[in-house]
Amino acid sequence: QSALTQPPSASGSPGQSVTISCTGTNSDVGAYDYVSWYQQHPGKAPKFIIYGVNKRPSGVPDRFSGSKSGNTASLTVSGLQAEDEADYYCSSYGGKNIFVFGTGTRVTVL
Amino acid sequence: QVQLVQSGAEVKKPGASVKISCKASGYSFEKYGMNWVRQAPGQSLEWMGWIHPGNGNTYYSEKLQGRVTIASDTSATTVSMEVSSLTFEDTAVYYCARLWGSLYFDSWGQGTLVTVSP
Repeated sequence: QSALTQPPSASGSPGQSVTISCTGTNSDVGAYDYVSWYQQHPGKAPKFIIYGVNKRPSGVPDRFSGSKSGNTASLTVSGLQAEDEADYYCSSYGGKNIFVFGTGTRVTVL
Repeated sequence: QVQLVQSGAEVKKPGASVKISCKASGYSFEKYGMNWVRQAPGQSLEWMGWIHPGNGNTYYSEKLQGRVTIASDTSATTVSMEVSSLTFEDTAVYYCARLWGSLYFDSWGQGTLVTVSP
């Protein structure tokens, strides 16, 4: 199972939006609506922010949203804030109880 | 609230094995799977495998199959993960993560640094 492909970096000014892509195959992202996203600040454990492509766990601001088209999922962070500066990882179910993560994207708030 | 507390940092020599534990509390232990995910320095997350404590079934990544063993102790609400035949490439922070809805990693341990050094 190969890692899902994400851009290494993305950036935006406070208040702007940034969108991160996550490209897999028709065996993972394209096959299931079971994509999730995680936010990780330096030296910290990842935090669960999106599941089922576009659903937010309780307590996650609605500035975070997700979507999917074909083999590519996306995470959009709207109204960027300084605290959104972090690494973001997508994940997908790959069938047969197997999971795969993305390569990660560092978001910088300019 | 859900809490996952992992064992402390380890330093091992190449060829050795390491065993890390993850103590769970705040939920019904047997009802949720537990995953292990690792992150080498400056690298991305890598899914390693998971166990369903309710039935003991385990699932491993193809890359690590044969070198990783995940086990659970329901009486102690603890999951352990052992990696054998360590190489320098196994140096990483290892996380346990609860599997919610059988599909998502909703709660994470604090991480355990494993350093493989001669």
